[in-house]
Amino acid sequence: GAVVSQHPSRVICKSGTSVKIECRSLDFQATTMFWYRQFPKQSLMLMATSNEGSKATYEQGVEKDKFLINHASLTLSTLTVTSAHPEDSSFYICSARVGTGGSAAFFGQGTRLTVV
Amino acid sequence: QKEVEQDPGPLSVPEGAIVSLNCTYSNSAFQYFMWYRQYSRKGPELLMYTYSSGNKEDGRFTAQVDKSSKYISLFIRDSQPSDSATYLCAMANSGGSNYKLTFGKGTLLTVNP
Repeated sequence: GAVVSQHPSRVICKSGTSVKIECRSLDFQATTMFWYRQFPKQSLMLMATSNEGSKATYEQGVEKDKFLINHASLTLSTLTVTSAHPEDSSFYICSARVGTGGSAAFFGQGTRLTVV
Repeated sequence: QKEVEQDPGPLSVPEGAIVSLNCTYSNSAFQYFMWYRQYSRKGPELLMYTYSSGNKEDGRFTAQVDKSSKYISLFIRDSQPSDSATYLCAMANSGGSNYKLTFGKGTLLTVNP
């Protein structure tokens, strides 16, 4: 299957600082990437959908100024958590869709963010 | 009623057992169906993908879709301890720009040696 690489896998940062998470599709071009947040023992919560070269579409209740998403190329999307606070601590996962048809989405390894 | 219902378990079976995991859905627009396996603290891994009613087999895994009943299943034959994980069903309603996955809550499976 297609490979999606997410980096870093784990990050600890101080409250008030910003953290950037990268998501790369290694062997395919991803026209659409998705960012999810997952709380312990819960399913994935979609945060935003990003299409290459255009602004991300955020789900209701997700602060776009706090969670900045950039999809600058067909193989790279980034999520920046700005002015992080302890309540932003979570598991963040990206996924990328292969092609534009009704294809499956492939996921990165996830990033565990801890804000202290 | 949630769009996708999945029994969260937990489900515990002995090694070698046949495992049956199920999801029901209410949105008739769902056309694409996926099963993901997620190990603790890892991203989901795609196991099966299908877009039509019927069965699809891949090794020890069989995915079954019944669109008339709005019901999908994943069967795992000869289950192994390494199959212990959370299994998520996911569905999408469109291949166009509105593509979006809707997940079940996930079923936690433990296969005991």
